[in-house]
Amino acid sequence: SQELEQSPQSLIVQEGKNLTINCTSSKTLYGLYWYKQKYGEGLIFLMMLQKGGEEKSHEKITAKLDEKKQQSSLHITASQPSHAGIYLCGADWEKSSGDKLTFGTGTRLAVRP
Amino acid sequence: DAGVTQSPTHLIKTRGQHVTLRCSPISGHKSVSWYQQVLGQGPQFIFQYYEKEERGRGNFPDRFSARQFPNYSSELNVNALLLGDSALYLCASSRLAGGIHEQYFGPGTRLTVT
Repeated sequence: SQELEQSPQSLIVQEGKNLTINCTSSKTLYGLYWYKQKYGEGLIFLMMLQKGGEEKSHEKITAKLDEKKQQSSLHITASQPSHAGIYLCGADWEKSSGDKLTFGTGTRLAVRP
Repeated sequence: DAGVTQSPTHLIKTRGQHVTLRCSPISGHKSVSWYQQVLGQGPQFIFQYYEKEERGRGNFPDRFSARQFPNYSSELNVNALLLGDSALYLCASSRLAGGIHEQYFGPGTRLTVT
């Protein structure tokens, strides 16, 4: 959906490097969800952000929500080959509590050993 | 606990045919959502069912329909298949955890229409 834009579209990083993925919404967010997908498989829930300024971490992955910009960033510290995959942000614009999400096109991450 | 299961895993159909995809949610989850993911794109919302009632419908033609059964499993039906229906169809079930509806996705059904 162009109403939810992710950048970059793809990323190749050397193992151990940090990286950031951005997700920008054209509409007011009630919730922003981050998922990871291995190629051709189902999605794995990473974290969900609701309030402006909220920041959550899961292992070496941190996500923040900037309410003013309606933007979220996902930051991976000291990347590992296990981080490779497709990262998808999903927007809840209708207070559906996460059951009806609009997803971005994804960021394809490759990590070189 | 078993995760969300979907069947079949792969399916090849011909244009004009009909297809039924099945989903079993995680035990205790009453909400099931269906998404279509075309290659290279993010998942697109098709339907959401809660307690056997349709709670949401995405921008898909009437050829797409779904239902939820008393045991909360669900079926997605697609009639008059088109080449453009080729995609990964994902089912997700959700529960309320810490004030957040956390969706758990199944592995998907890969549909190829020839």
